[in-house]
Order: sequence, then C-alpha cells, then structure tokens
Amino acid sequence: NAGVMQNPRHLVRRRGQEARLRCSPMKGHSHVYWYRQLPEEGLKFMVYLQKENIIDESGMPKERFSAEFPKEGPSILRIQQVVRGDSAAYFCASSARDRAGEQYFGPGTRLTVT
Amino acid sequence: SQQGEEDPQALSIQEGENATMNCSYKTSINNLQWYRQNSGRGLVHLILIRSNEREKHSGRLRVTLDTSKKSSSLLITASRAADTASYFCATADNQAGTALIFGKGTTLSVSS
Repeated sequence: NAGVMQNPRHLVRRRGQEARLRCSPMKGHSHVYWYRQLPEEGLKFMVYLQKENIIDESGMPKERFSAEFPKEGPSILRIQQVVRGDSAAYFCASSARDRAGEQYFGPGTRLTVT
Repeated sequence: SQQGEEDPQALSIQEGENATMNCSYKTSINNLQWYRQNSGRGLVHLILIRSNEREKHSGRLRVTLDTSKKSSSLLITASRAADTASYFCATADNQAGTALIFGKGTTLSVSS
C-alpha cells in the first residue's frame, strides 16, 4: 500500500543546471499537486495536474519552471537553469478527487543549489 | 488570497499537558485540514473538518471550526515527546478547491 513516492529525496545542483523532480501518486489517484516550502515557511501551491493536463498553474513561476504528468509514468517538476533561490523542499501530493479532496503528501525532495 | 495563519508560532510544553493551536483564515472554505510535519520530513494528514461541521475528534486530537469567526483550533491532549513537530492548517476555497493554502505553522516542542 505505497503512498505518494518522490525521488530523489535530496538533490544538489550547481547554479545553471537543470533539476528534475519525480512524483508517483498513490495507487488509484489521478490528481497531482506540487508545492514548494522555503525554510521556516509553510507550503505554497505551485501547480495542479491530471493525466496529460495542467489544470491550474497559478502558483508556478513564469520562467524556468515546468510540470507534466504523462499518461504513463510519474509527474515531473522541471526547473531549468537553477538559481540559489530555488533551494527549497518540493512536495508532491495526490488525491482521488480534485475539489477539496483530501491530499496525501509525499516525503518531499530537498533541492540545494550551490 | 486567503491564508491560514496559525497561532502561536511556537509552543513549548511538558509531556502530559495539553497543546492548543489556533488557525485563522480569510474567506469562505469548503473544508479545513490539519497536517503535522516532523523536522525535515514530509507532511502527515491529521484531520479534515468540513465547513458544516463544528467539532471532530481523532484519538488524542480534537479540532473545532467556527466559520463565523473564520477560525479553527487543534487540541492535542496528554501530549507526548513524539508530538514534537510543526503543525499546519490548510484550507481549500469554495471556487477552485484545487489548491491547499497553508499557514506558516506552529512549532510544538514537548519535553519529557
């Protein structure tokens, strides 16, 4: 009964490199959400996806960030040309329903940009 | 945009005491959820209370919701050292309902 899985758990990138974060939702869940948590802060919503569709990306930075949830395979959050300010914990959540559904969170990926 | 704000920011108590954390939000909601986050770990879902509910219990947890005051409280009874963590409230609004809005959390320290 696997929960939401994220990998890698820790990722170190130099400035200018690309970061790829992966998320596999819970079995039976088709809705995925990405959140970012800066140090000493609460989580901030980034993007909500269903299979092959971006439903709400109102929290995504306009540049360098993209997300996808293909028909097969995990959801990917991609950050191009990373900067130090991208250092944060990135959490993925999934739900069986979209509206006000209970979201289950993965363990997060801690990205450090050096 | 609406935001859950937890109060206090930090709370230190002894084992066996009760811990109460409060959360306020700004606009109408469908539900309110409480999560726990141990240091450096992911979030654990604790309890969800819907807008038409006033109180909910789960083990040592008691959550209340007052929609007229736009506030919620989380009570942990007979606290244990293992309850040491950060606690967040999160709301989903009526219209979109897709994104959870988190506060900055209350950091609870329970000493033995």
